[in-house]
Amino acid sequence: EDQVTQSPEALRLQEGESSSLNCSYTVSGLRGLFWYRQDPGKGPEFLFTLYSAGEEKEKERLKATLTKKESFLHITAPKPEDSATYLCAVQAGSGANNLFFGTGTRLTVIP
Amino acid sequence: KAGVTQTPRYLIKTRGQQVTLSCSPISGHRSVSWYQQTPGQGLQFLFEYFSETQRNKGNFPGRFSGRQFSNSRSEMNVSTLELGDSALYLCASSWGTGANEQFFGPGTRLTVL
Repeated sequence: EDQVTQSPEALRLQEGESSSLNCSYTVSGLRGLFWYRQDPGKGPEFLFTLYSAGEEKEKERLKATLTKKESFLHITAPKPEDSATYLCAVQAGSGANNLFFGTGTRLTVIP
Repeated sequence: KAGVTQTPRYLIKTRGQQVTLSCSPISGHRSVSWYQQTPGQGLQFLFEYFSETQRNKGNFPGRFSGRQFSNSRSEMNVSTLELGDSALYLCASSWGTGANEQFFGPGTRLTVL
């Protein structure tokens, strides 16, 4: 059965304190791994897609990496506006389009 | 380019009623997926439509149904509402099927009393 586990559940950082969020997955035939950011009361906002082990993508203070079993979202020198829930999702198997989501990491960046 | 829009944004219903939610995808996108988000279960896949055909369905009861129109707009319907159907219902669109990005709308917050 497909499984996505995110850790930690919640993370509090001081502004400027870099850290990483983890997404470990067990799926049959990974077709893509996606990172989203979600602010309270809003829909998820797309950040990155990773397709194969060794791939890395960057956007501003965020960098996503992928191995065969997990993905990391590195946040460098975070700012308070980076506070949000970060969701990891996988797309796997037979060609269906559905995303299978983890439960997210709630990030709070303190000024 | 306009994003995914969902209407209504908020809805309050009572048990036993039915509800219809609407989603307009990004222009040019032909695939629409629906998700339910609750604090306990997180984001769960409901179904996907592509070119007016349901391509895939999640593990939800038959009370949950949907359809897609020729302009790619989609609706989902929930009949005989239960308290546990209270959730944020999210619609996501993508240009096609396969491993490509899905872009989410703001959601419809449904409260069942």
